[in-house]
Amino acid sequence: AQTVTQSQPEMSVQEAETVTLSCTYDTSESDYYLFWYKQPPSRQMILVIRQEAYKQQNATENRFSVNFQKAAKSFSLKISDSQLGDAAMYFCAYRGNTGNQFYFGTGTSLTVIP
Amino acid sequence: EAGVTQFPSHSVIEKGQTVTLRCDPISGHDNLYWYRRVMGKEIKFLLHFVKESKQDESGMPNNRFLAERTGGTYSTLKVQPAELEDSGVYFCASSQVARATTDTQYFGPGTRLTVL
Repeated sequence: AQTVTQSQPEMSVQEAETVTLSCTYDTSESDYYLFWYKQPPSRQMILVIRQEAYKQQNATENRFSVNFQKAAKSFSLKISDSQLGDAAMYFCAYRGNTGNQFYFGTGTSLTVIP
Repeated sequence: EAGVTQFPSHSVIEKGQTVTLRCDPISGHDNLYWYRRVMGKEIKFLLHFVKESKQDESGMPNNRFLAERTGGTYSTLKVQPAELEDSGVYFCASSQVARATTDTQYFGPGTRLTVL
């Protein structure tokens, strides 16, 4: 079965600095999709960024980018120029090509220090 | 466009009671998913509807949980009778086209269920 591991339960970053959240996964599939979701204290979970496994180029969305290492099964999220509004719980998620369900990690709580 | 909504936002019940959670997906989304997060654990899949049909219910913990999606619109998740281990946050998500490369699941804010 697919598993997603987020080894950092909590992280903190100084405002305007850069932080990287780690995520590893285990799968036997060759084609799949990876996601980072953000859940602010208000609790609405929002999609931050998505990566298709067949694409070698790392996805980027403004200040958010990923470092996708397919061979290592690693999918880290880099947040540049951190802002107070980035404070949230971040979940890494995997979706295979043979099913619709998402597999999530346990989440990383990010604190942004002013 | 309205997002996925869930009701109630919080529910506190006693062991043995019944609770019904509701999810309204984004209009036009045929796919609806239920997930649950127990405190400190990962978010786990419960089941997937395509319109009113259950496509995959492999994540449902036991027969105390009953999910319905009448008419392919909103969905309810009933827990009867509730046990202590059912406490957690129940998330609902919807997507327009399952398994498409552009498919993204949009999540609701969740219902926090506490069973005392």
